[in-house]
Amino acid sequence: EAGVAQSPRYKIIEKRQSVAFWCNPISGHATLYWYQQILGQGPKLLIQFQNNGVVDDSQLPKDRFSAERLKGVDSTLKIQPAKLEDSAVYLCASSLMGGSSYNEQFFGPGTRLTVL
Amino acid sequence: SQQGEEDPQALSIQEGENATMNCSYKTSINNLQWYRQNSGRGLVHLILIRSNEREKHSGRLRVTLDTSKKSSSLLITASRAADTASYFCALGGATNKLIFGTGTLLAVQP
Repeated sequence: EAGVAQSPRYKIIEKRQSVAFWCNPISGHATLYWYQQILGQGPKLLIQFQNNGVVDDSQLPKDRFSAERLKGVDSTLKIQPAKLEDSAVYLCASSLMGGSSYNEQFFGPGTRLTVL
Repeated sequence: SQQGEEDPQALSIQEGENATMNCSYKTSINNLQWYRQNSGRGLVHLILIRSNEREKHSGRLRVTLDTSKKSSSLLITASRAADTASYFCALGGATNKLIFGTGTLLAVQP
């Protein structure tokens, strides 16, 4: 079974530039998550999708971050404009479903973003 | 803070020894999960314990949960060099949302 795919694996940009990350979840997984992991910390949830609807985006900095999952499959996360503090690893995860039942989250390899 | 706080922040042991990590939290939870992260395999789910459970085993892993003290522990028995990684507790909520802790960095010396 193929895992969660993410691209690019690494990205270096100047501050105030824009950047986009792509995620393809495991086939059949209805729920998709984007996390931000700053060096030395645990992952922090940015946004959670159930199919193509947003379940939770309470910690997404909406003035500069946006995410979409138009067809309920793959997803993109965009930062515009980037700040130095956005330097982090961006992890995508997917699970069969959210809701009140537990479903294991499977994580992709992440995209390491460096903002100079 | 809603996240779990892990203790110790770093732990170094010899191969064959046991490793214990603790997680304390302040909110109510649906479940508590433990994840491992290393450069080779990324972030991987290890074990889940539901809020009405007290202890769970999986291979060399043993997890306990005390909801009255709002704390959990992860025990890895007979550690191996391959267990070297960062270990995170994650608080599971009603919508499968996870709030990760600060992590324990485990180094197992061969």
